[in-house]
Amino acid sequence: DAMVIQNPRYQVTQFGKPVTLSCSQTLNHNVMYWYQQKSSQAPKLLFHYYDKDFNNEADTPDNFQSRRPNTSFCFLDIRSPGLGDAAMYLCATSTRTSPQPQHFGDGTRLSIL
Amino acid sequence: AQSVAQPEDQVNVAEGNPLTVKCTYSVSGNPYLFWYVQYPNRGLQFLLKYITGDNLVKGSYGFEAEFNKSQTSFHLKKPSALVSDSALYFCAVRDMSANQGGKLIFGQGTELSVKP
Repeated sequence: DAMVIQNPRYQVTQFGKPVTLSCSQTLNHNVMYWYQQKSSQAPKLLFHYYDKDFNNEADTPDNFQSRRPNTSFCFLDIRSPGLGDAAMYLCATSTRTSPQPQHFGDGTRLSIL
Repeated sequence: AQSVAQPEDQVNVAEGNPLTVKCTYSVSGNPYLFWYVQYPNRGLQFLLKYITGDNLVKGSYGFEAEFNKSQTSFHLKKPSALVSDSALYFCAVRDMSANQGGKLIFGQGTELSVKP
């Protein structure tokens, strides 16, 4: 089945130690999104790619970066994680040209020691 | 400004009873509306959408939603709730601002609890 896959499902890192989360998709969608979700709150969009065009949300901290080397893969890099960055990180994909739903992965839960 | 509101943080229903999860929206122009469900430690799963056409939209797992333009609402309904419907539900509207790449504006979420 076509899907969005996030690895790892659980990630533990130390305060200030860089961490990378990954997302892959088999849907061939041209838009990929990264969200941060804390304790049953609504997902908060960090940034998205339309093909290789990167779009950062105005309030996304500089500590968060992203890479999309090809259509299928997208990475979220947190350069110096703080305790406040502990959250669920969700990747989603969609097509931009029609009002289709976003398809979400099951997320990576990040813990900071 | 575009927004979505889910006025109830929590909805409690007995199994077998009908359920309603409320959603109201504020957008310019015609809205594209979505409902998602999230189970613990999982991503969001798409339930249904309204783009245009019939105001009653049917979706996955027996859920349906009614689009009401005059009341700017898109309430999620199910005739007979199951314990397995217990989850977090999000209403969302597509951001119609230019160059927003299909961004979604989410409501704050409603925790649905169905008791046996």
